[in-house]
Amino acid sequence: EAQVTQNPRYLITVTGKKLTVTCSQNMNHEYMSWYRQDPGLGLRQIYYSMNVEATDKGDVPEGYKVSRKEKRNFPLILESPSPNQTSLYFCASRGKGQALGYTFGSGTRLTVV
Amino acid sequence: GEDVEQSLFLSVREGDSSVINCTYTDSSSTYLYWYKQEPGAGLQLLTYIFSNMDMKQDQRLTVLLNKKDKHLSLRIADTQTGDSAIYFCAVTPMGGGATNKLIFGTGTLLAVQP
Repeated sequence: EAQVTQNPRYLITVTGKKLTVTCSQNMNHEYMSWYRQDPGLGLRQIYYSMNVEATDKGDVPEGYKVSRKEKRNFPLILESPSPNQTSLYFCASRGKGQALGYTFGSGTRLTVV
Repeated sequence: GEDVEQSLFLSVREGDSSVINCTYTDSSSTYLYWYKQEPGAGLQLLTYIFSNMDMKQDQRLTVLLNKKDKHLSLRIADTQTGDSAIYFCAVTPMGGGATNKLIFGTGTLLAVQP
């Protein structure tokens, strides 16, 4: 089944403790993105990648890092999480045709205390 | 930058039509999408329309695009309780394809009453 898989689904952590949220897609998609969803703000893009070793900042990149060493994986790294990063995070991927839109993962609900 | 706005809430009765509206600011937007988010799930692409189209129909879904007013709408015919979800409008701004950018609205919660 074509899908984007994120792990974990839920995570509670403490301020300053480094964490990684993994994202993997099995559709051989070139483009991958990370979004955060907050009430009243919709989804905002954190980082995106156009292909292996090609990443760039989205609208809200502060406090986050990403890497794209393989085409299928696009992990999101929080080096020193803070409470304002408590949010619902989505990874998404798409192929070269924009009409196909994005395929989204099921989301990771992160709470930083 | 691009701004995309939606009303927050819509309530309809089962069997009625639902119309969810969206306005955007960037007239050069190329692709415009509607996504559906069910509770506890990711976003699912429902349909899209390209900017040179006025209307697109796909079974119970009809998308209307008014480029002059920068207004996009999604009509769901014969709304069912299973259509209850949050619906997001999203647009690709000029050059957005190269930057992988998609601008989302805040989402409209559709509640379908039996």
